[in-house]
Amino acid sequence: DAGVIQSPRHEVTEMGQEVTLRCKPISGHDYLFWYRQTMMRGLELLIYFNNNVPIDDSGMPEDRFSAKMPNASFSTLKIQPSEPRDSAVYFCASSPLTGGLGETQYFGPGTRLLVL
Amino acid sequence: AQTVTQSQPEMSVQEAETVTLSCTYDTSESDYYLFWYKQPPSRQMILVIRQEAYKQQNATENRFSVNFQKAAKSFSLKISDSQLGDAAMYFCAYKSGTSYGKLTFGQGTILTVHP
Repeated sequence: DAGVIQSPRHEVTEMGQEVTLRCKPISGHDYLFWYRQTMMRGLELLIYFNNNVPIDDSGMPEDRFSAKMPNASFSTLKIQPSEPRDSAVYFCASSPLTGGLGETQYFGPGTRLLVL
Repeated sequence: AQTVTQSQPEMSVQEAETVTLSCTYDTSESDYYLFWYKQPPSRQMILVIRQEAYKQQNATENRFSVNFQKAAKSFSLKISDSQLGDAAMYFCAYKSGTSYGKLTFGQGTILTVHP
């Protein structure tokens, strides 16, 4: 299995620009999660999907952030407009339903975003 | 809300020796899951070990084992025969057993392995 795939791995952009992060979950996984990692706040959940439907977006910091999952094999996290405080590592993770509520979440390699 | 605390920002160990990383958590739930993830310099989050709260037996994965003390809400990770490749940031994480959703992570412990 290829694992969770994220692109790009690194993104450098200027304040005010639109940023789109992409994720391909592990095939057959029913859940997809977007996390953000910063020095100040650690790892925090932004949003998660079940069968392509957003379930909980309470972690999305503000309206500048949006996430979509148009099909079972693709999700995007968009920041528009971007700000320097959005600089972080963004992780996508997926998990199957088969193991129940305690099923492991498998993480992608992350996208390191730097907003200048 | 659940919280996870890792009180050791940094730890070090000599190669081939044993080290224990501490984790405590706070929850009012009786059904939950606990995880240790490893994050090497590549930033990839890698699952090390998983424990179901309803199981009294401590989980073990090769050189990695946990000491799960449910009453004390403690979940420490023991790494035996430490290897250079074990050097990484280690995160303890909590997952509710009553709903799908997020992992709550601790602050992390940086582990250095000396040759």
